[in-house]
Amino acid sequence: AQSVTQPDIHITVSEGASLELRCNYSYGATPYLFWYVQSPGQGLQLLLKYFSGDTLVQGIKGFEAEFKRSQSSFNLRKPSVHWSDAAEYFCAVANFGNEKLTFGTGTRLTIIP
Amino acid sequence: NAGVTQTPKFQVLKTGQSMTLQCAQDMNHEYMSWYRQDPGMGLRLIHYSVGAGITDQGEVPNGYNVSRSTTEDFPLRLLSAAPSQTSVYFCASRGAGSASEQYFGPGTRLTVT
Repeated sequence: AQSVTQPDIHITVSEGASLELRCNYSYGATPYLFWYVQSPGQGLQLLLKYFSGDTLVQGIKGFEAEFKRSQSSFNLRKPSVHWSDAAEYFCAVANFGNEKLTFGTGTRLTIIP
Repeated sequence: NAGVTQTPKFQVLKTGQSMTLQCAQDMNHEYMSWYRQDPGMGLRLIHYSVGAGITDQGEVPNGYNVSRSTTEDFPLRLLSAAPSQTSVYFCASRGAGSASEQYFGPGTRLTVT
């Protein structure tokens, strides 16, 4: 069965500092991987996705993620965070056929001035 | 396009009552799904559909029914609500092809007392 681990429940970062959110997955084949962001009281917005090809994926809002098969990881990065990046971030893996998404438990990001 | 819409936004039920959460999409997407979100648990798949007339169970299907009579609509029914079904419910859809992402609705916050 597929699974996702986000080891950091809550991260606090100063505005302008760099950010890395960790995601580890378990899946028997080449995974489909996603990062979603959720602002308070809102739905989920896709930041980026990986299906195949280049292991460094660029997304919206200046985010990027790197797929590392050897480490079963898909960490999300941003070189300089903005106060508007405060939200909850979810990593997800899909099965072959992309019918079932399995989400991690999320990482809540707080930005301090 | 309105995208994925959900009604109602909020609902309070008493234990044993029934209700239907509505979900509609106007993107002609074949695939639709329902998730529930609980604190500290991320999103979990309840039911999904790969096309009109076809539904299947996800990770947490007990207590919920679905049907898919049209491409546009995918209602979620609670036949006899229980306090354990207090949650935020999200509907999602995606287009054809396994390399497409899911689009999420704004969610329905359900409280069962």
